[in-house]
Amino acid sequence: NAGVTQTPKFQVLKTGQSMTLQCAQDMNHEYMSWYRQDPGMGLRLIHYSVGAGITDQGEVPNGYNVSRSTTEDFPLRLLSAAPSQTSVYFCASRGSTDTQYFGPGTRLTVL
Amino acid sequence: GEDVEQSLFLSVREGDSSVINCTYTDSSSTYLYWYKQEPGAGLQLLTYIFSNMDMKQDQRLTVLLNKKDKHLSLRIADTQTGDSAIYFCAETSSGTYKYIFGTGTRLKVLA
Repeated sequence: NAGVTQTPKFQVLKTGQSMTLQCAQDMNHEYMSWYRQDPGMGLRLIHYSVGAGITDQGEVPNGYNVSRSTTEDFPLRLLSAAPSQTSVYFCASRGSTDTQYFGPGTRLTVL
Repeated sequence: GEDVEQSLFLSVREGDSSVINCTYTDSSSTYLYWYKQEPGAGLQLLTYIFSNMDMKQDQRLTVLLNKKDKHLSLRIADTQTGDSAIYFCAETSSGTYKYIFGTGTRLKVLA
């Protein structure tokens, strides 16, 4: 099992550009989520999904969209990037137990 | 809302024990977790404890839970330089999909 994978590892965007952060898991987990990590603020939940076709907002959803067309994939879209979205983004998944497993992260810089 | 708090920094000498503390506010917490994050990497699950337990030991790691005071600690015995990392405390309640993370404690191990 590869676990939770994320691409790209690093990305630089200009203000106003759009992009999609990819996340995939091969553990057949129903629950997937996106977090952002900022210095001194820990991890904050952006969006989550409890299964294919079902998504919901987390703590900081503004400026981000998600979709869940398959169990494996949970992409995060930035429609119009802003400097405030400079952060490290982590995707996570969880199976029948309540333990989350994290991907390696995407480091995003918005200029 | 629910909150998880940790001190930001801890410095110990190699071979000593480290104790990282965490307090939380959610009285309905079911699971409490410790994650380790090394530089440039994702979060690695170290250990977890159910809320009906007081203590859990796993090799060099000991987790203590005081439910009355809503206090969780992680003790690392014989701390090594490879233990230098950021340690996150997190909690969740069974049946919800929210994980609440602390801000992380940066552990520095001095040779």
